[in-house]
Amino acid sequence: DQQVKQNSPSLSVQEGRISILNCDYTNSMFDYFLWYKKYPAEGPTFLISISSIKDKNEDGRFTVFLNKSAKHLSLHIVPSQPGDSAVYFCAASDNAGGTSYGKLTFGQGTILTVHP
Amino acid sequence: GAVVSQHPSWVICKSGTSVKIECRSLDFQATTMFWYRQFPKQSLMLMATSNEGSKATYEQGVEKDKFLINHASLTLSTLTVTSAHPEDSSFYICSATIEFGGNTEAFFGQGTRLTVV
Repeated sequence: DQQVKQNSPSLSVQEGRISILNCDYTNSMFDYFLWYKKYPAEGPTFLISISSIKDKNEDGRFTVFLNKSAKHLSLHIVPSQPGDSAVYFCAASDNAGGTSYGKLTFGQGTILTVHP
Repeated sequence: GAVVSQHPSWVICKSGTSVKIECRSLDFQATTMFWYRQFPKQSLMLMATSNEGSKATYEQGVEKDKFLINHASLTLSTLTVTSAHPEDSSFYICSATIEFGGNTEAFFGQGTRLTVV
């Protein structure tokens, strides 16, 4: 049962344009969402997160949007740069029982390629 | 920012031997660490939650006797893959969380590529 889904295995974008990465979830208990960037044979690098009490969080070129009713979130990267090429994972957590947010459920990942 | 260091970054071992992977929080104390596993072209799957000073909590389907977790200090958790088999070959990643300014963030180690031959 895949509770966090990234239905697009890959995305190709021209440099300078916007990259939009999508993520859907099924568990309504999830209340904290994160996006990670990952290179092969390396651990994920945190990009940006959003709490369920918000619908948007922005950090530089990265913006995450959350639509709770649709159980959908997206990561916007603008402008896209060739250095953004990597695998992007969305992850979700529920703070059930006051435990930490470290117990994450990941999506399958989307390979982003930004062409010069 | 907070740093989580994982060692070794890669290891090759023979079937039947055991391998220990270390996960350290370098500049903060982590009462809880997490161990994930990633197969090629697949997502990261949580294996277990490592709790300092107590037993680890394993996810369903993960053999606790095969994947031994020890969290003896606030900065170190170890994962030992016992009697390794080729199907244990995978990418293992640890993470630790830190809370600051009302936010909680999870930081990941560099990962360990285990190949069992």
